[in-house]
Amino acid sequence: AQSVTQLGSHVSVSEGALVLLRCNYSSSVPPYLFWYVQYPNQGLQLLLKYTSAATLVKGINGFEAEFKKSETSFHLTKPSAHMSDAAEYFCAVKTGTASKLTFGTGTRLQVTL
Amino acid sequence: EPEVTQTPSHQVTQMGQEVILRCVPISNHLYFYWYRQILGQKVEFLVSFYNNEISEKSEIFDDQFSVERPDGSNFTLKIRSTKLEDSAMYFCASTTQGVVADTQYFGPGTRLTVL
Repeated sequence: AQSVTQLGSHVSVSEGALVLLRCNYSSSVPPYLFWYVQYPNQGLQLLLKYTSAATLVKGINGFEAEFKKSETSFHLTKPSAHMSDAAEYFCAVKTGTASKLTFGTGTRLQVTL
Repeated sequence: EPEVTQTPSHQVTQMGQEVILRCVPISNHLYFYWYRQILGQKVEFLVSFYNNEISEKSEIFDDQFSVERPDGSNFTLKIRSTKLEDSAMYFCASTTQGVVADTQYFGPGTRLTVL
């Protein structure tokens, strides 16, 4: 069975600081990993995805994530936080032929002045 | 840019009543999904749908739930007799091919409140 764990339900950073949101996965087969963002009162928007091509994946809004098989991790980073980054971030995994997404519990990012 | 739309944005119903949640997937997409998120919990898969039949369903998707594509544009989720624990945000998603690397595009959700 596939699963993801997101450490930290709430993360607070200052504007301009590094953003690091953690995601660890569990899968017996090579996973496909996704980060989605949810702004208030909106749906889930894809930030980036890992599909085994390159381990460092760049997404929208300056975010990137690195797939580390040895650590079973896919942490999301952004060098400099902006107020507009405040949102809920979800890590998700798909494996094999399964088309369903399995989500983590989400991390709410707060950006302060 | 094409997007998935959902109606209504908020539905309030009495326990035991039937509700239908509506979704309009992106027009050239072939695979459709419903997920739900109970307040404070993770987003959970309910069902996937392709070629007018269910491809996969979760344990949550019991006989009280059904899905339908009644015409070429709408995709609906029906809950026959709502329970208090059905209160959640329901998200519809669609994708082109349904393969594992595909991106699923999500709608804004319908917040269902069962009283």
